[in-house]
Formats: sequence, C-alpha cells, structure tokens
Amino acid sequence: DVKVTQSSRYLVKRTGEKVFLECVQDMDHENMFWYRQDPGLGLRLIYFSYDVKMKEKGDIPEGYSVSREKKERFSLILESASTNQTSMYLCASSANPGQGAEEQYFGPGTRLTVT
Amino acid sequence: GNSVTQMEGPVTLSEEAFLTINCTYTATGYPSLFWYVQYPGEGLQLLLKATKADDKGSNKGFEATYRKETTSFHLEKGSVQVSDSAVYFCALRKGAQKLVFGQGTRLTINP
Repeated sequence: DVKVTQSSRYLVKRTGEKVFLECVQDMDHENMFWYRQDPGLGLRLIYFSYDVKMKEKGDIPEGYSVSREKKERFSLILESASTNQTSMYLCASSANPGQGAEEQYFGPGTRLTVT
Repeated sequence: GNSVTQMEGPVTLSEEAFLTINCTYTATGYPSLFWYVQYPGEGLQLLLKATKADDKGSNKGFEATYRKETTSFHLEKGSVQVSDSAVYFCALRKGAQKLVFGQGTRLTINP
C-alpha cells in the first residue's frame, strides 16, 4: 500500500522558533510537494521538488525553505515561525508523467499552531 | 493564469439525496481535471479524474464530465450516504506535475 507519512499530526511552536516538518514517501516517487491548507483558500503550493537536491518555488514560498537530500524525504523549514503560518501543512508525492500515474498521494497533514 | 472555482459550501443534504458540486476552471489549452476528497482527519485522496474533453471520470458512485465548452467539471452522485461526508476539492494540472486546487467544498450528509 502506498504511503506518505508526516512526522507530526499536531505541532505547537512559539513565534520566532525554527520549525522542521518532515515528509517521507515509500513509493520511489521523483516529485514531492508541500502545500498549506486554509479554510476558504483550498490548498496552496509552497515548494516542490522533482529530484534529489532540486527544488522550485510554488505560489507562496515566502517565509519557507525546503530540503531534499534523499529521494524519499522532503523537509519544509520555517526559519522564523510567525502567527500567520498557523495552518494545516500537507505533503504529497507523485511519479513522473509517462509512468502511468498522474496522481498525487497525500500524507495525513500536520496542523501547526504558532503562538 | 490557471485557476479553479468551486461552489461555496458548506453543503448539507439528507441521505439518498442527489448531489452536485460545481467546478469551473480557467486555463489555456487542455488541462487534466481531478476531484480529490478529504475525509475527517485524513489527507487528500484522488476520487476521479479526466484527461481530455468529454471524458467522464467515475468512482464510488461519483461522476464528473470534462466539458470544454463550459470549462466545467461538476461532481455528481445520485444517492449520497452519510459516509460521503467530507471536503471535496476540484483541481487541474497543466504541463508539469503541479496541481491547482479550488477552495474546497465541505459536504455533510445527515441520516
């Protein structure tokens, strides 16, 4: 069974803290994604990666960075957390086109609260 | 740019009612279209998809038809169940692997 796991379901951090959100997939997928989900706004893409050590900015990268040192792991970093980064964070992965799978597989999400 | 607009929720129906959740999109060319579902406490999972005009995606009794002329991909189900209560997201993909999502529609089915 395909699986995307995220390191925490719930996280509470203080303003100014450095926050790491970890995502691991076991499907040998090339592509990995970080989204944030907010009521009324749907999912918005923060960063994505199409290969190890490669990354591209999504629609809302400000205040975030990412790291992909291994194919199966994609980390989202909040360098200095702020209250407006309180949100649900979702990680996803997908195979490359032409491998018979366009689908993105999602993790269960991490609900981050910054106080 | 590419965008997706869904009908605003929340939507509340009785069991066995007919469901329609509207979705329209803006994109050049021919994007692939998707419906994802998010059950309480879970991540998103693919419900159905269509990759070209007039394609019909279907799964678990849900259907959606890719209408190029109206740029729409409305989700329908003939008889909903309590277990269909969830948040539904319409999305499009054009070119690279990135998806563009609508804002989501929360559906509640009462017994």
